Amino acid sequence: KQEVTQIPAALSVPEGENLVLNCSFTDSAIYNLQWFRQDPGKGLTSLLLIQSSQREQTSGRLNASLDKSSGRSTLYIAASQPGDSATYLCAVERGSGGGADGLTFGKGTHLIIQP
Amino acid sequence: DGGITQSPKYLFRKEGQNVTLSCEQNLNHDAMYWYRQDPGQGLRLIYYSQIVNDFQKGDIAEGYSVSREKKESFPLTVTSAQKNPTAFYLCASKRGGNTDTQYFGPGTRLTVL
Repeated sequence: KQEVTQIPAALSVPEGENLVLNCSFTDSAIYNLQWFRQDPGKGLTSLLLIQSSQREQTSGRLNASLDKSSGRSTLYIAASQPGDSATYLCAVERGSGGGADGLTFGKGTHLIIQP
Repeated sequence: DGGITQSPKYLFRKEGQNVTLSCEQNLNHDAMYWYRQDPGQGLRLIYYSQIVNDFQKGDIAEGYSVSREKKESFPLTVTSAQKNPTAFYLCASKRGGNTDTQYFGPGTRLTVL
């Protein structure tokens, strides 16, 4: 059974710092890996999707990497801002059914950026 | 505006009652999903549907039921058999293929009294 682990569970840093969030998964048979952002009491917003054949994706100040063989992904946030404060969730898409069998999520990293 | 709507935002029910959560999408997506989120936990998959009139159980389907009679709609019924139904429920949809992300609705917070 696929398990996704995120480290750290919580992180508080001053504004302007670069930071790294970690995600690991136990089964390398994935279709893709995704990073989401969740604000309190809200739904999820997709940040980045890395296909299983890719090594990284970038969007603005965000960069996500994927090492499928070792079961690891990192989300790098450059020049953090108070608006980046949220819970960041890592999820892997199950490797069967054409990539539409649903996501397995980690518990998230709760990030606070201090002004 | 295209997107996913879930209603209501907050729902209260007495123990032992069945309750149905609504999920509608106008994105023309084939696949739809229901997840449950508990405090301090990641999302867990309840049911999913890859096409109209077809659906599969996820990891925690016991005590829940779904239907997919229309492409746009995927309602979730929380039955009295669900032992701990109080949670935040999120619906999602995707077009298909491994290049597509899932789009999430705003969620319904269900509280069973």
